[in-house]
Amino acid sequence: GQQVMQIPQYQHVQEGEDFTTYCNSSTTLSNIQWYKQRPGGHPVFLIQLVKSGEVKKQKRLTFQFGEAKKNSSLHITATQTTDVGTYFCAGRRNTGFQKLVFGTGTRLLVSP
Amino acid sequence: DAGVIQSPRHEVTEMGQEVTLRCKPISGHNSLFWYRQTMMRGLELLIYFNNNVPIDDSGMPEDRFSAKMPNASFSTLKIQPSEPRDSAVYFCASNTGSNQPQHFGDGTRLSIL
Repeated sequence: GQQVMQIPQYQHVQEGEDFTTYCNSSTTLSNIQWYKQRPGGHPVFLIQLVKSGEVKKQKRLTFQFGEAKKNSSLHITATQTTDVGTYFCAGRRNTGFQKLVFGTGTRLLVSP
Repeated sequence: DAGVIQSPRHEVTEMGQEVTLRCKPISGHNSLFWYRQTMMRGLELLIYFNNNVPIDDSGMPEDRFSAKMPNASFSTLKIQPSEPRDSAVYFCASNTGSNQPQHFGDGTRLSIL
């Protein structure tokens, strides 16, 4: 079945450092979504990417969808303590109903 | 606006007991999803409904798990009999259809002793 892997599993940075998480799918995706889950909370939608090579920005966050639509990345510039949480990508295949497959997640810890 | 509402927030029960989790999706959302989250397996889709009809239940672990959606504003996930390995956080999510963001409830933290 479809698998979506993320690396790294965990990263600890100092406030102000940059952070990147990578998402890789075993199959081609029709689109990919990113979610953030704070400790003890629930996943919250951040953004969706649809087009091959698409790049979107939200303030300090930059999201990219690969040319082959099998990978994606999230880059955070100058992390802040409010960025702490687990970041999930979630991909939908070209075929089938609207089933999303969530990645394994990257847990980010930011020290002040 | 009210988000997805789940109950109970926490449940602790002994193995063998029946457990029923409840979810009220956001009004107007026609798709509903049940997920299970554990450290070992991450976030897994158990089942989803579209217009109250189960579309894909391939993620339901075994016959002890069942889910219903009797109307557009209510769904249940039942485990009978429960086992310690069912301990997890169970999330319900809803959206307005394909390619739309999923809105998650606060989850039910289930512990089976």
